[in-house]
Amino acid sequence: GNSVTQMEGPVTLSEEAFLTINCTYTATGYPSLFWYVQYPGEGLQLLLKATKADDKGSNKGFEATYRKETTSFHLEKGSVQVSDSAVYFCALRFIQGAQKLVFGQGTRLTINP
Amino acid sequence: GAGVSQSPSNKVTEKGKDVELRCDPISGHTALYWYRQSLGQGLEFLIYFQGNSAPDKSGLPSDRFSAERTGGSVSTLTIQRTQQEDSAVYLCASSLVLGRNLYGYTFGSGTRLTVV
Repeated sequence: GNSVTQMEGPVTLSEEAFLTINCTYTATGYPSLFWYVQYPGEGLQLLLKATKADDKGSNKGFEATYRKETTSFHLEKGSVQVSDSAVYFCALRFIQGAQKLVFGQGTRLTINP
Repeated sequence: GAGVSQSPSNKVTEKGKDVELRCDPISGHTALYWYRQSLGQGLEFLIYFQGNSAPDKSGLPSDRFSAERTGGSVSTLTIQRTQQEDSAVYLCASSLVLGRNLYGYTFGSGTRLTVV
């Protein structure tokens, strides 16, 4: 079946540090890939997405590149801020029809000033 | 409405009681999804509606769980004879689907269910 595996948290970094959250997937075919973010007390929001191999999704300084050869979609940010503290979810979904999102287990990120 | 609305936002219930959770999707969104987020766990898919029908109920954990959608809009998730392991945040999302076009999900803020 289709599944997503994320780097286990929690992850704690200092402000301005470099961030990587690893995500790999298993899927039959070529899904679209997503990162969602859940800020404290808020609902899930789409952070970025990529719909085909070698696409790079980016938003708010975060980037992730769809790597078919390694079945990965690692999330990176060059300099994190305290406001980036949240839970990050990697997910996949197929384009055809209204397929469901399949999520990883989430990674809690805390940024200290 | 402007977003996906879920009610109640919090629900505390006694073990063995039935509960109903409501989701109002974005107007015009044909697809509606229910997920469950347990403490320390990821998001677990429960059920998906396209219009009023549910092509995928594969995530419902037991026959105590059921859901319906009426008028292609509001959906209700019902949990009968609640158990403590049902305690979680129940999230609803809606999405517009047109042919092969992929439109994003919009999530509600969830209903936090606590079974005591």
